[in-house]
Amino acid sequence: SQQGEEDPQALSIQEGENATMNCSYKTSINNLQWYRQNSGRGLVHLILIRSNEREKHSGRLRVTLDTSKKSSSLLITASRAADTASYFCATGEAGGTSYGKLTFGQGTILTVHP
Amino acid sequence: SQTIHQWPATLVQPVGSPLSLECTVEGTSNPNLYWYRQAAGRGLQLLFYSVGIGQISSEVPQNLSASRPQDRQFILSSKKLLLSDSGFYLCAWSSVAGPGGANVLTFGAGSRLTVL
Repeated sequence: SQQGEEDPQALSIQEGENATMNCSYKTSINNLQWYRQNSGRGLVHLILIRSNEREKHSGRLRVTLDTSKKSSSLLITASRAADTASYFCATGEAGGTSYGKLTFGQGTILTVHP
Repeated sequence: SQTIHQWPATLVQPVGSPLSLECTVEGTSNPNLYWYRQAAGRGLQLLFYSVGIGQISSEVPQNLSASRPQDRQFILSSKKLLLSDSGFYLCAWSSVAGPGGANVLTFGAGSRLTVL
């Protein structure tokens, strides 16, 4: 079943602007990850944040996690046309024998206009 | 370095025909292996995962099956394809992290299946 729900479904911005995508989930998690997918290609891992972390940075990416609200956000600063892609959040469930299985959301389609 | 290969990249098959998609991983041993399906370019649905040779877990009942005949080989199969099997199939691997571990997935380039 799909746990993560991204918002918005589609986002269109101009180059240089910031892009913010949100993800909500339902169950307790061990970690939350963001992936990027260029059209017709496989997904590429961007960043991982663990359930005991609140914020993480990687280059122009900033991820926040609020476990009380079961939500996360991905901020891409100073966007570029090359950032155009679909972005997915994925959650790893806490406990059990999940062996690191990830549940992906529906994704946000980001279009950055030059 | 680790690499993942998935083939074929594109496949057009008639309804009722068999299917075999193959995925191999290089540069690592005893990986967790996964098959996901993506419909209409949106969310991914986990179909199967494997933590070892011959160990397959199915996430959803369906017309498909998976096998892991070798440590770094994962195969997705069907005896008779349905129209609803059309989609983009993605193989992925991760290092073994154990129960509740945080695995980062590395995906193959995907196989686009069209069933006519």
